[in-house]
Amino acid sequence: GAVVSQHPSRVICKSGTSVKIECRSLDFQATTMFWYRQFPKQSLMLMATSNEGSKATYEQGVEKDKFLINHASLTLSTLTVTSAHPEDSSFYICSASEYTSGINEQFFGPGTRLTVL
Amino acid sequence: AQSVTQLGSHVSVSEGALVLLRCNYSSSVPPYLFWYVQYPNQGLQLLLKYTTGATLVKGINGFEAEFKKSETSFHLTKPSAHMSDAAEYFCAVKPGYSSASKIIFGSGTRLSIRP
Repeated sequence: GAVVSQHPSRVICKSGTSVKIECRSLDFQATTMFWYRQFPKQSLMLMATSNEGSKATYEQGVEKDKFLINHASLTLSTLTVTSAHPEDSSFYICSASEYTSGINEQFFGPGTRLTVL
Repeated sequence: AQSVTQLGSHVSVSEGALVLLRCNYSSSVPPYLFWYVQYPNQGLQLLLKYTTGATLVKGINGFEAEFKKSETSFHLTKPSAHMSDAAEYFCAVKPGYSSASKIIFGSGTRLSIRP
């Protein structure tokens, strides 16, 4: 099946710094990628939908200036957490959409654990 | 609006026993339905999916699920639990056909296996 990677898998940063997380589709081209946030023992919360070459669509309540998303190519989307604070600590998961088996299926990355000190 | 309800945030079964994780959905259009498994500090792995056709869907690791339109359910089962099945399981519905339509996740069910 299609493979999606994320880098880094784990990052620790100081409060006030910015952190960039990469999401790559390794063996397919993804016109659409999604970014999720997951708090401990909770489900995935969709943050934004990213389309190649256009601005991301953010879910209600997600600060677009806080979470910058860039989908510069068909295989790469990045999420930058700007001026990170401890409350931004979370598990961030991306997914990439590919048309397969008759549907547009999402394939998920392994996640990035962000800890803001 | 679409939604997914997973009954039971935590299910515990003995090794070798039947696993049943419940999922009900609501969707205004024919849904695509999914079950994902998540191990600690990892991403989601697709267990199985229903798109069209046969309502009994077989997935990886011996899991299967049955789409019951009349009951708006998509319960996940496995005849005999294994210790390695301990994980978090998410039911999800995708209400559209385009690449941009969103997957809606249930709240998850943590499966524990007793020796």
